[in-house]
Amino acid sequence: RKEVEQDPGPFNVPEGATVAFNCTYSNSASQSFFWYRQDCRKEPKLLMSVYSSGNEDGRFTAQLNRASQYISLLIRDSKLSDSATYLCVVYQAGTALIFGKGTTLSVSS
Amino acid sequence: EPEVTQTPSHQVTQMGQEVILRCVPISNHLYFYWYRQILGQKVEFLVSFYNNEISEKSEIFDDQFSVERPDGSNFTLKIRSTKLEDSAMYFCASSALGDQPQHFGDGTRLSIL
Repeated sequence: RKEVEQDPGPFNVPEGATVAFNCTYSNSASQSFFWYRQDCRKEPKLLMSVYSSGNEDGRFTAQLNRASQYISLLIRDSKLSDSATYLCVVYQAGTALIFGKGTTLSVSS
Repeated sequence: EPEVTQTPSHQVTQMGQEVILRCVPISNHLYFYWYRQILGQKVEFLVSFYNNEISEKSEIFDDQFSVERPDGSNFTLKIRSTKLEDSAMYFCASSALGDQPQHFGDGTRLSIL
């Protein structure tokens, strides 16, 4: 039973491209949703929380569809520094954070 | 910006030995967590700690593991009788509230020989 599923990629895109990542979660009682980014052999770092109304932070836009149990992340105008693994993360009361395996993004010049 | 700090950054230990991994959470946070990440795999929840006791633990967190908050700042993970399969990155995290974003330390790489 996979609780948080992501397309592992890798996504290989040129600088300036727009790229979208998708994620589904299995537990309808999940309460909070996040995107984290993880660089190779580093700790996960919070990128943004995800709200039902959708939210934007600069070049990053996150969307949540509770009915479909679906979360997305859109990155516009990709930079070389965006190269990382993007982790879809779900909070369920009583189990702390549940991580997806991550989607790897490689941005090239 | 306040951050979670972990020591040591790398621990090498003989199989069967005990290890203690240390963490200093962000000072005004109330919830503390340990996670592990085996190389090439996803981050896995081990245990959460609130109000000086374990609030939740996963199936991974068996009798081999224990956590402690020995003073007002440190939060430790003890692994007894280490096995080869305990080799992983161990991340400590903290949050202000249970459903708020968690902030991670930069991890301890544990290598069991």
